[in-house]
Amino acid sequence: DAGVTQSPTHLIKTRGQQVTLRCSPKSGHDTVSWYQQALGQGPQFIFQYYEEEERQRGNFPDRFSGHQFPNYSSELNVNALLLGDSALYLCASSLVAGVENIQYFGAGTRLSVL
Amino acid sequence: DAKTTQPPSMDCAEGRAANLPCNHSTISGNEYVYWYRQIHSQGPQYIIHGLKNNETNEMASLIITEDRKSSTLILPHATLRDTAVYYCIVRPAAQKLVFGQGTRLTINP
Repeated sequence: DAGVTQSPTHLIKTRGQQVTLRCSPKSGHDTVSWYQQALGQGPQFIFQYYEEEERQRGNFPDRFSGHQFPNYSSELNVNALLLGDSALYLCASSLVAGVENIQYFGAGTRLSVL
Repeated sequence: DAKTTQPPSMDCAEGRAANLPCNHSTISGNEYVYWYRQIHSQGPQYIIHGLKNNETNEMASLIITEDRKSSTLILPHATLRDTAVYYCIVRPAAQKLVFGQGTRLTINP
């Protein structure tokens, strides 16, 4: 049973560029959440997707957008990259019908913006 | 903002029980207590969760006080591989996870 998978594992971009990160949820899960983790900090919630719609959003600018596909996989897009966007980007999946709604995380994508 | 308070760091000897405290004095009746850990900038790993009762699984035990204002995560026989940052999170089910700074647990040989 595959867990949450993210690609790529590492990425280097320059300021002003755009980036797309991908996430495949754990088998049987229908909800995907994205988090940003700066060095030395705890993860910060970006947004959550369920039924191909954004359901919750954290305090992130519109440069951060996402998408969920019919197979429940998801993409995170960041436009006009800033140096401060350098971070570990984490995807977590869960089952909305699960009573306690436990989120399981992937290994993350480390983005470096130069 | 995180609704929990944890000590920034703790040490424990290998083979001993590691007891990690968490204060959540403003917890609401519908909020669960979740524990995650993060090893060396890998993705956070779910450990255990509870609402009112104490819980145990293959990884750890969770003790929640009767007034639910605090809890303790217990790793019964700590190994070097348990060295990680441990996060205590309270939230209603289906809501976002709000991570604080966590407790950096170091297991010493």
